[in-house]
Amino acid sequence: QKEVEQNSGPLSVPEGAIASLNCTYSDRVSQSFFWYRQYSGKSPELIMSIYSNGDKEDGRFTAQLNKASQYVSLLIRDSQPSDSATYLCAVNTYTGTASKLTFGTGTRLQVTL
Amino acid sequence: DTEVTQTPKHLVMGMTNKKSLKCEQHMGHRAMYWYKQKAKKPPELMFVYSYEKLSINESVPSRFSPECPNSSLLNLHLHALQPEDSALYLCASSQEVRHNEQFFGPGTRLTVL
Repeated sequence: QKEVEQNSGPLSVPEGAIASLNCTYSDRVSQSFFWYRQYSGKSPELIMSIYSNGDKEDGRFTAQLNKASQYVSLLIRDSQPSDSATYLCAVNTYTGTASKLTFGTGTRLQVTL
Repeated sequence: DTEVTQTPKHLVMGMTNKKSLKCEQHMGHRAMYWYKQKAKKPPELMFVYSYEKLSINESVPSRFSPECPNSSLLNLHLHALQPEDSALYLCASSQEVRHNEQFFGPGTRLTVL
């Protein structure tokens, strides 16, 4: 059973702080890793993709991947109240004929004033 | 155009009705997906179409019937649904299968009475 684990939260951070969201996965052959943001009642929105070890930065967001430790993280700098949402980690495994995303259960982030 | 559209936004149907959900993308993506999402749960994969052919069916009951008329359109035909099928139905698309970077539509909120 391929699994993606996230702490469900809520993770509460003050406005302006760094929010750190973590994800571990069980399938060593996974190749692609994504972070989605989902506001209540809305659909998931892709915010970061990462395919190789190391850091990838996009604006206030930094994704970090460590394939040896099977660990993906998302850092949100200068957190804003509008960042309050559920963050879903998704891991893709490609078998050569088919590709499937497995989602974690999500971490709910609350940014407080 | 970087958008996936879905119609209708909301749907209420009885257990004896037949209805269809529609999804469209004009990004030239060759893979399209149907997901079901219940409250406070991650999206759950139902079907994958790759190059207009069904490549994954996650053992979905036959009361859900997918159709891919062309590379831009994806339908989900519904018949004899149960109240427990009430959920947010999400369509997604990706440019290619290997990395599977998926973009989601806004979803159809389905209520089965």
